[in-house]
Amino acid sequence: QSALTQPRSVSGSPGQSVTISCTGTSSDVGAYNYVSWYKQQTGTAPKLIISDVSKRPSGVPDRFSGSKSGNTASLTISGLQTEDESDYYCCSYAGSYSWVFGAGTKLTVL
Amino acid sequence: QVQLQESGPGLVKPSETLSLTCTVPDGSINKYYWNWIRQPVGKGLEWIGRSYTSRSTNYNPSLKSRITMSLDTSMNQFSLTLRSVTVADTAVYYCAGAPRIYASSSAPLDSWGQGILVTVSS
Repeated sequence: QSALTQPRSVSGSPGQSVTISCTGTSSDVGAYNYVSWYKQQTGTAPKLIISDVSKRPSGVPDRFSGSKSGNTASLTISGLQTEDESDYYCCSYAGSYSWVFGAGTKLTVL
Repeated sequence: QVQLQESGPGLVKPSETLSLTCTVPDGSINKYYWNWIRQPVGKGLEWIGRSYTSRSTNYNPSLKSRITMSLDTSMNQFSLTLRSVTVADTAVYYCAGAPRIYASSSAPLDSWGQGILVTVSS
């Protein structure tokens, strides 16, 4: 059960869009529509921002969207704001009641 | 979402046993799948396992031989025991809940504790 692959860092300017990829295998991301995304600001606990590939919990801005194609899930943040600067983690169901996280991506808003 | 609070020792000696407890709000213990996740300082998240009834547990295969999780519904707590710790087990440990209104394999982690740093050192 290896960690899902995410870019170590991405960046964008305020108002722009960025996409963070999350690549797994046909045993996790590719097999199930159970990918979630978490935002983690420095020194705080992660916060759920996307579940089931593309569902936004109440209170999460619609600037955040999720999608999946094959073994790769993606998180897109449009209209970047300074408060979006955080670490982002994907997580996928990996079968047999186990879950695997991505290694995390640091988003810098320039 | 519910408020969670981890508790336990911040320092454990190598080869000893790490024990953590997560206290959940009264009335919520049977409404969530209760998970433990850890994060070495400066690194990524690792799912450790979950429990949701007195006999229902699921563990990360890489840690399965060393961990035990349990629920104490009378105390509104769930716990993690990690045996034979090494310095590689040094991390911030989070408890997190996933609502049981979701199917077992899809439930997202919508409630997190603040985390507790556990250092393994002699």
